[in-house]
Amino acid sequence: KAGVTQTPRYLIKTRGQQVTLSCSPISGHRSVSWYQQTPGQGLQFLFEYFSETQRNKGNFPGRFSGRQFSNSRSEMNVSTLELGDSALYLCASSSGEADTQYFGPGTRLTVL
Amino acid sequence: SQQGEEDPQALSIQEGENATMNCSYKTSINNLQWYRQNSGRGLVHLILIRSNEREKHSGRLRVTLDTSKKSSSLLITASRAADTASYFCATAAASYQKVTFGIGTKLQVIP
Repeated sequence: KAGVTQTPRYLIKTRGQQVTLSCSPISGHRSVSWYQQTPGQGLQFLFEYFSETQRNKGNFPGRFSGRQFSNSRSEMNVSTLELGDSALYLCASSSGEADTQYFGPGTRLTVL
Repeated sequence: SQQGEEDPQALSIQEGENATMNCSYKTSINNLQWYRQNSGRGLVHLILIRSNEREKHSGRLRVTLDTSKKSSSLLITASRAADTASYFCATAAASYQKVTFGIGTKLQVIP
């Protein structure tokens, strides 16, 4: 099976802009989780979608949002970008039952 | 906030030596997992141990779980330069609940 793919791999934006990141899970996986990774904070959980519904949510401001489509592909959006949003954004998919997560390569977002 | 905390935060060993990393967590869990991350890349799942298990092996990896002490350890035997990476523990309070990651242990294996 193909692994988890994320697009784009690299992104440079300026403060105030918005950005949309995309994640395609492993075929058959219904759960997609998003994480933000920074050197200072480590891996922080953003949210998880399962069968198009947000099942879990982390402690991030409303500027961070996501959605999942009927084919399980997921997008996350960050509006009104801030310098502190510069990070590696990782998505992970799972069957939703086994808890093992399979990660994509990540999207490196730089906010200038 | 982080549920798991790895110890040590950094570890440097010679190739062939064993590497031990520890993880402590705060609340009861359903399972604990270990992941590896090579520099700037996605995480790779190594092993999952459930709360009713005490020890699990996978190749050169050995994981123990002590729920009374809320701690786990990951042992990598006969380390190789290719094991150089960051290692994270991750916990879930219950199936279908969010998985929380620790800060990680940065392992360097010197050839």
